[in-house]
Formats: sequence, C-alpha cells, structure tokens
Amino acid sequence: KQEVTQIPAALSVPEGENLVLNCSFTDSAIYNLQWFRQDPGKGLTSLLLIQSSQREQTSGRLNASLDKSSGRSTLYIAASQPGDSATYLCAAPDSSYKLIFGSGTRLLVRP
Amino acid sequence: DVKVTQSSRYLVKRTGEKVFLECVQDMDHENMFWYRQDPGLGLRLIYFSYDVKMKEKGDIPEGYSVSREKKERFSLILESASTNQTSMYLCASSLAQPYGYTFGSGTRLTVV
Repeated sequence: KQEVTQIPAALSVPEGENLVLNCSFTDSAIYNLQWFRQDPGKGLTSLLLIQSSQREQTSGRLNASLDKSSGRSTLYIAASQPGDSATYLCAAPDSSYKLIFGSGTRLLVRP
Repeated sequence: DVKVTQSSRYLVKRTGEKVFLECVQDMDHENMFWYRQDPGLGLRLIYFSYDVKMKEKGDIPEGYSVSREKKERFSLILESASTNQTSMYLCASSLAQPYGYTFGSGTRLTVV
C-alpha cells in the first residue's frame, strides 16, 4: 500500500533563501509523482508532474526531482518570495490510480 | 489548460437537506474524483469514477452518493446533510495514468 510522507510539516524562511521540501513514498513502482500548491481556502494548483521515467522537472524557480530507488522526491524553490507562502503537497498514485497525498509542508516566506 | 469547475465556492445548508455539489471538466478526461479536506486529516477520497455511469467507493463514502451521467460532469450528493459533513470539497479529473490530476477551486460547505 502506497504511503506518502512529507517533512518538514512547517518551514519559515527569510525572503531570497533557496529551500528544499522533501517527500518520501513507500512503493517505488509509481507511475508518476505530482507536486501541488494550496493557498488558504483554495483548491490545489498543480506545480510539477514527474513521470516515472524522468529524474526531474523544472518550471521557473521550481525544480522537482524523483529518485524511485530511494523512494524520495524533492521540490527545490530558488530565491524564495513572500508570494511563495502556501502549503505544498506531494502525491503519488497507488496501484488502482487513486492519488495518495502527503500531509503537506506549510511554507512561510518572511519579507 | 484543462479546467475543472466547481459550481459553488461557498454553500450553507441546513441539517437534513439534500445537497448537490457539481463538478464539470472541459478536456474529455476519463477519471473524476471527489475529495474532502479537513484540518489535521488531510485529503480523503470519497468517490471516484473511471467512466460514464461508473462509480467506485473511496475511503469515506458513508453519507454520500455520486452521479456521472455525462463524461464531463461528476456530481456529489449528500442525501441528508449533517454537521459532520461541514468541510472543503475538492473535485479532480485526469486522463488515464500516467498523467496527472487537475483540481477544481473547491467548495466550502457549512451545514448548520
């Protein structure tokens, strides 16, 4: 059974800092891994989708990596800004294609 | 871009009412999902559907039903709303794997 874990649960950094969010999963036979952003009271916005055959994906200041052998993914945010403050969720599908979510990392970027 | 539209951002309903939450996607996705999200409990899957007129129970289906009469529309039904169904409800859709999910903006339901 797929389980997804995220650490840390919360993170507070000064503006401009580079940071890494961590995601681990138990079943390495995943189809893909997806990173989402959620602002308070809002839905989930997809940031990056990494297919199982890929090692990383980049979008602007965001870079996500995938290491299936170790069961880990990281989301790297370069030059963080106050507007990056949100909850970040990673998710991977289980064997029946249902998405399994981590509990999220709540990020605060201080001006 | 794929768009998933949830008909209401905020709803307030009375205990015992029948409540319909509507979700429409515009990119011919086969799969559609309903989640609820509560503080400390994360996202929990209520029901999902892989095709028209097809439905599968998720992790917490009790008190809910769904309808998928057309490919683009997936409705969540609370037969008799209760206060413990006060929550944020999120709809999502996807093509068959290995493609990702797209979520709607959510419906905040309050049952009083």
